[in-house]
Amino acid sequence: EAGVTQFPSHSVIEKGQTVTLRCDPISGHDNLYWYRRVMGKEIKFLLHFVKESKQDESGMPNNRFLAERTGGTYSTLKVQPAELEDSGVYFCASSQDKLAGERNTGELFFGEGSRLTVL
Amino acid sequence: DQQVKQNSPSLSVQEGRISILNCDYTNSMFDYFLWYKKYPAEGPTFLISISSIKDKNEDGRFTVFLNKSAKHLSLHIVPSQPGDSAVYFCAASEWDKLTFGKGITLSVRP
Repeated sequence: EAGVTQFPSHSVIEKGQTVTLRCDPISGHDNLYWYRRVMGKEIKFLLHFVKESKQDESGMPNNRFLAERTGGTYSTLKVQPAELEDSGVYFCASSQDKLAGERNTGELFFGEGSRLTVL
Repeated sequence: DQQVKQNSPSLSVQEGRISILNCDYTNSMFDYFLWYKKYPAEGPTFLISISSIKDKNEDGRFTVFLNKSAKHLSLHIVPSQPGDSAVYFCAASEWDKLTFGKGITLSVRP
């Protein structure tokens, strides 16, 4: 079974340009998350999709970031225009939905990440 | 303000000995605590978790201890093996959101 895949693995762009990161979750996983790690710091939550709906986007830094999950399958995260502080590794993760009444316990399957460097 | 803290950036232990990785948290609403392991150029991999209603969970060489009154948890690896060398992230869950610490780099010397 394929794991969570992310593309590109590394992107180098100039300040002001646009970048789109893509994530393909594990097949059948309704929950899809985006996290980001700035160098040397903690991994920070960005947002959570359940199928195609945004369940929680409280971690999105500002309106330069746009995440979509059309059809409830793969997701894209677009940064436009990119700033220097957006550099970091963007991780996507997925998990199966739990049964009614159960809650997700945080056991996520992470992709290898997309490293973004903004010059 | 960091809600999950891993105050030691690195730890070096001899193969065969015990590794103890510590983590502190501030948010009393966290109800699950997890440890993730990360190798370079890979994503974090789930290692072990513990519910807030328990104080210990064991899985093979890995044991996580939770002290709710002290808001402290620790991961014990025994015996440590060179393949355990990686970055270990402590994480806490509140509903569907994980809050991570900065990670600790464990080096196991042969």
